[in-house]
Amino acid sequence: QVQLVESGGGVVQPGGSLRLSCAASGFTFSSYGMHWVRQAPGKGLEWVAFIRYDGSNKYYADSVKGRFTISRDNSKNTLYLQMNSLRAEDTAVYYCAKCAWGFNYMDVWGKGTTVTVSS
Amino acid sequence: DIVMTQTPLSLSVTPGQPASISCKSSQSLLHSDGKTYLYWYLQKPGQSPQLLIYEVSNRFSGVPDRFSGSGSGTDFTLKISRVEAEDVGVYYCMQSIQLPQTFGQGTKVEIK
Repeated sequence: QVQLVESGGGVVQPGGSLRLSCAASGFTFSSYGMHWVRQAPGKGLEWVAFIRYDGSNKYYADSVKGRFTISRDNSKNTLYLQMNSLRAEDTAVYYCAKCAWGFNYMDVWGKGTTVTVSS
Repeated sequence: DIVMTQTPLSLSVTPGQPASISCKSSQSLLHSDGKTYLYWYLQKPGQSPQLLIYEVSNRFSGVPDRFSGSGSGTDFTLKISRVEAEDVGVYYCMQSIQLPQTFGQGTKVEIK
């Protein structure tokens, strides 16, 4: 079945960097767009970034534009989120999510990885 | 950005009773292709979100038929015909007609 497993979270100081990974299995990864969505402690869901199936187009929330980079390696069935210049407000659980076929809404989500930005 | 507004923000329901959540968008979610890009997700306690309903009224694979979605344009509703204990959690509506995809604030459903 479809499985998405995030990793790479941790505690980082303000201004630091972190790279998240999302290992995908159970579907043809190279055929689907992918998202990163985050959830700050006790808060709702915030879309972060989207990448098309072939990596040709990438989109970002204004709150992370210029600091975060979404990418993918279709040969490794893996999605990435490079996070630079981290701020306290980036503290959240980060979920990767698979798009439904032919659409850009999320139909399957991973369990998430926690990022804490603190000195 | 499209603003999604859910009401109520919390709901306490007796098992077996119905429940209803409203979601309003600041712009129409009807696309020129004829589809309406409104979705419902449930985040059970300690879990990641799961898709319940896509394009207003279509149940995702494995979703019980006690869940139904309706609405058009800017006004949408999720209904649970008979709430069960496993339905507790936070329900989110989301639009995907344009980026950034935006979510409602969430409606917390608990059992009385």
